[in-house]
Amino acid sequence: EADIYQTPRYLVIGTGKKITLECSQTMGHDKMYWYQQDPGMELHLIHYSYGVNSTEKGDLSSESTVSRIRTEHFPLTLESARPSHTSQYLCASSDLSGYTFGSGTRLTVV
Amino acid sequence: KQEVTQIPAALSVPEGENLVLNCSFTDSAIYNLQWFRQDPGKGLTSLLLIQSSQREQTSGRLNASLDKSSGRSTLYIAASQPGDSATYLCVPWMDSSYKLIFGSGTRLLVRP
Repeated sequence: EADIYQTPRYLVIGTGKKITLECSQTMGHDKMYWYQQDPGMELHLIHYSYGVNSTEKGDLSSESTVSRIRTEHFPLTLESARPSHTSQYLCASSDLSGYTFGSGTRLTVV
Repeated sequence: KQEVTQIPAALSVPEGENLVLNCSFTDSAIYNLQWFRQDPGKGLTSLLLIQSSQREQTSGRLNASLDKSSGRSTLYIAASQPGDSATYLCVPWMDSSYKLIFGSGTRLLVRP
């Protein structure tokens, strides 16, 4: 079944740790995105990619980085997690038939 | 700069009512418009996509209309159910870059 998968679903990690949030889609979409959302607030675009080896920063400044080595895979990395990174991170992909979002990763940095 | 406003911001209704959720956007030069629902702490679930050449889309109890010239979209939910309780987001796509513009949404509670 065509879908988009994010792991882990929840993550609690200590300050200073390096983390990678995984995102994979099976729909063959060229366009993929990472959004950040604080509880009860709007989504903000932090990274996007229009294809392999293409990555751009979004509207909201983020200390995270992304890579796009394969079409289906778009991981997000934080080199040194801080409490200010505590948030929900949503991955999405799109084509002309619409956007599809993953279930999100809720990150808590203690 | 595109801005999205959804009215009402919150809505509480008894089960069985027919609902209308309103969305307005300031820049009518949109590419498409997609309606989503978001359950607390979860991702977004796509409900309907209206392409720029279309005026409405229907899926089950949901019907969405789009009037680009006036910058408005409406989501109609028939015979509401408690399972419809969620935040509903009206999201315009800006041009072929597929950039999405998010507002604050409408928080819907359907009481049994």
